[in-house]
Amino acid sequence: DTAVSQTPKYLVTQMGNDKSIKCEQNLGHDTMYWYKQDSKKFLKIMFSYNNKELIINETVPNRFSPKSPDKAHLNLHINSLELGDSAVYFCASSQGGSQPQHFGDGTRLSIL
Amino acid sequence: GENVGLHLPTLSVQEGDNSIINCAYSNSASDYFIWYKQESGKGPQFIIDIRSNMDKRQGQRVTVLLNKTVKHLSLQIAATQPGDSAVYFCAENPRGGKLIFGQGTELSVKP
Repeated sequence: DTAVSQTPKYLVTQMGNDKSIKCEQNLGHDTMYWYKQDSKKFLKIMFSYNNKELIINETVPNRFSPKSPDKAHLNLHINSLELGDSAVYFCASSQGGSQPQHFGDGTRLSIL
Repeated sequence: GENVGLHLPTLSVQEGDNSIINCAYSNSASDYFIWYKQESGKGPQFIIDIRSNMDKRQGQRVTVLLNKTVKHLSLQIAATQPGDSAVYFCAENPRGGKLIFGQGTELSVKP
């Protein structure tokens, strides 16, 4: 069974559109994260939620809005997509604190 | 800002040889470190971790060494196999805060 699953795997859309990426974890973890990986493979955290509460919010444009309906789900909604948003977005989860984070297989977002 | 960096962006080794991937970190407050492996089209996969109260930890074919004096972390892979080919990331966690990833090293194993 997939521990951290995110959908869709690929997302191709036009500039200006609004899109969502969904993430679910079945590990019973309390904390979930969104990361962005650029074309040079650099991974940077965007957001972190603990028990549905936002705890980390990096310097991300407010076009990006995470939503956590319950502690097993963390979705990412992006408004008015721009060319620079093209990247691979990873969802992860952990028990929080100094514990390993477990990653999904990513959503490759391509903006035309 | 503070960063975790890698000395070698690419590493090519012969199958069966040992591999060593190095990482320098700059945040002296970091007390937890992780190595991840990322294969093409997949997410980072946890390999091994180490806390700052240790200087060495061993797993199956992998060893992580931590030198807090010079803020250096390394991952050693014994008897490297073609399936080890991937991008390897070190990451540091400054006292339960966000995970900061290094640049990544691409390991290529020649059969």
